[in-house]
Order: sequence, then C-alpha cells, then structure tokens
Amino acid sequence: DAKTTQPTSMDCAEGRAANLPCNHSTISGNEYVYWYRQIHSQGPQYIIHGLKNNETNEMASLIITEDRKSSTLILPHATLRDTAVYYCIVRTRQGGSEKLVFGKGMKLTVNP
Amino acid sequence: DAGVTQSPTHLIKTRGQHVTLRCSPISGHKSVSWYQQVLGQGPQFIFQYYEKEERGRGNFPDRFSARQFPNYSSELNVNALLLGDSALYLCASSHFRDSPETQYFGPGTRLLVL
Repeated sequence: DAKTTQPTSMDCAEGRAANLPCNHSTISGNEYVYWYRQIHSQGPQYIIHGLKNNETNEMASLIITEDRKSSTLILPHATLRDTAVYYCIVRTRQGGSEKLVFGKGMKLTVNP
Repeated sequence: DAGVTQSPTHLIKTRGQHVTLRCSPISGHKSVSWYQQVLGQGPQFIFQYYEKEERGRGNFPDRFSARQFPNYSSELNVNALLLGDSALYLCASSHFRDSPETQYFGPGTRLLVL
C-alpha cells in the first residue's frame, strides 16, 4: 500500500547536485512527505520531511510542488558516500499508530 | 548521543525455533517500532509500542509478538521460525507525542533461518 512512486535507479556524478523525484498524487492534506536512505543494509537514515513548504537541513533540500502531488529531494553536492537506496514515504497514521510504508525505493549511484 | 541500539547483530536459527531480538531506543524516546526487511524489498511495519502498550500492528502472523519494558526498551519475539522469516529486523524509536513523528532506525539484526 505504498503511496509513492519513484524511479528504480539514478546515476549522478560526484560533486554535482542529485535531484531525486517522487510522485505522491494521492497524498492527503495533512500527510507529510518523508525521505530516508539506506546504505548497504544498514538501518534507514532519516534525511528530511515536509508538508507544504520547501525544507532544507544540513543533509538535503526538499522541494514540494504547490499541489503536493510530487516532490524532489536535492543533494546539493553528491559524494560517493551518498550512494544508497532512497525512500520517499508518505507518513501514515492509522488509529493511534504511526507507521512508515516503504516502497522499493530508488537506488542512487554516485560515480567518481 | 547514542542512537538506537539492537542486539544481536546477526543470528542463525533453524526452522521451528524461536528467536528474541532486542532494541534500546534513543534516550528520551518512548515509542519503539519494529520492521522486517527481506532482501530486495523496503522495510515492512510489524509493531509499534508506546508506553508499554501496542499501538499498531502490521500484517504479520501471531507467531510475531513484542513487548516494551518500563525503560522503553523492547523485545521482538518470533516463534516457530520459517525459512521466510530470514530478514533484517529493524527497530525505530520516536517521541510519539511529536507531530509529525520522526522515527530513527537502529542498525538492525540480520536473522538467517536454515
């Protein structure tokens, strides 16, 4: 029941910006978009989240379209260590429980 | 600050056995969630616990159970292990009361069932 669509994979050159797209056309008005990444079977690492406005932190920027049906995660200067599977998730609260519904994610490969 | 810790890191069991996996949340976090990740797939939600009570359960059989202790650490138990239970088991902690809630993951326990 993943509510997001991502490309299967993407390549990026080291030092360039990596723009990772995500479609979430059925997102509800109070649902947040979350991004995690997972490096080689380690635990997923939280990157950033947003509701309506663009967000930026020390790791990345998140651009959400005005209709909220899609978003883009931007890694401004990709390094080899950014090679990972990136998950775009619409946060779901069912009853009193929070759960993250992961899809298969997108493999980003940063090339030297 | 210590992140989420999980033990053991790796485990090998045989079919029919049971297993107990442990998780300690980030200090100050009162909610723990468990996820199963089989090879090639994203993590799947199993349970969420808050203040020692189950707050949510994913689509997993009753062989899977969990509990949370007064210090907010948690155990995941799996009985009558099947080959298909081989996976990376992830624990995530959060404040729960925050809106939105952000879950932080541990390194996982890799379980192999032979």
